Amino acid sequence: AQKITQTQPGMFVQEKEAVTLDCTYDTSDPSYGLFWYKQPSSGEMIFLIYQGSYDQQNATEGRYSLNFQKARKSANLVISASQLGDSAMYFCAMREGRVGNNDMRFGAGTRLTVKP
Amino acid sequence: DTEVTQTPKHLVMGMTNKKSLKCEQHMGHRAMYWYKQKAKKPPELMFVYSYEKLSINESVPSRFSPECPNSSLLNLHLHALQPEDSALYLCASSYMFGTDSYEQYFGPGTRLTVT
Repeated sequence: AQKITQTQPGMFVQEKEAVTLDCTYDTSDPSYGLFWYKQPSSGEMIFLIYQGSYDQQNATEGRYSLNFQKARKSANLVISASQLGDSAMYFCAMREGRVGNNDMRFGAGTRLTVKP
Repeated sequence: DTEVTQTPKHLVMGMTNKKSLKCEQHMGHRAMYWYKQKAKKPPELMFVYSYEKLSINESVPSRFSPECPNSSLLNLHLHALQPEDSALYLCASSYMFGTDSYEQYFGPGTRLTVT
């Protein structure tokens, strides 16, 4: 069963504007971690931000913030002040905390294009 | 230093060849991973090594053979591959395997083409 859903295959944003990339997830495990990765055309997956299921505050890392709504099971990535270099594929991922089930599951990804 | 290195960057091989992909990290991570990524798709987990022992094999065909000679090095041996095995092969590492909180750091990948 699909556990991570990214419903936006592609998104466009004007340079210097903010953009939100959607991610919803499904799990019955009370302990889990949510991750966002950026993949430029070069191929490398770059870790951006992490949110734990027990974290009370939304995670932030520089221009990246994670809008974590636990009851709605959503973990949207917000990129502020978009730059041309933000154009890339973005993957949301989840890892559940149960022993023996610790592989990371990725969503289908969202391709972000930043327009000058 | 959060670097994972992979060699080679590109590889073209015939279906009868034997080749190996190499991955290295010096962050003291005890978990290492191999992923396969087809174009416009998310990465798919192939293997997980935890403390140099194989922990997960996601039903990968035997023509892919992983090896973890030490805590810093991970190899993927390739033999008798098929054209559909052409993909980007990503290596990753994390501090530990078995909890939900440790992020994985990825290498730049090897773009494999099987002719």
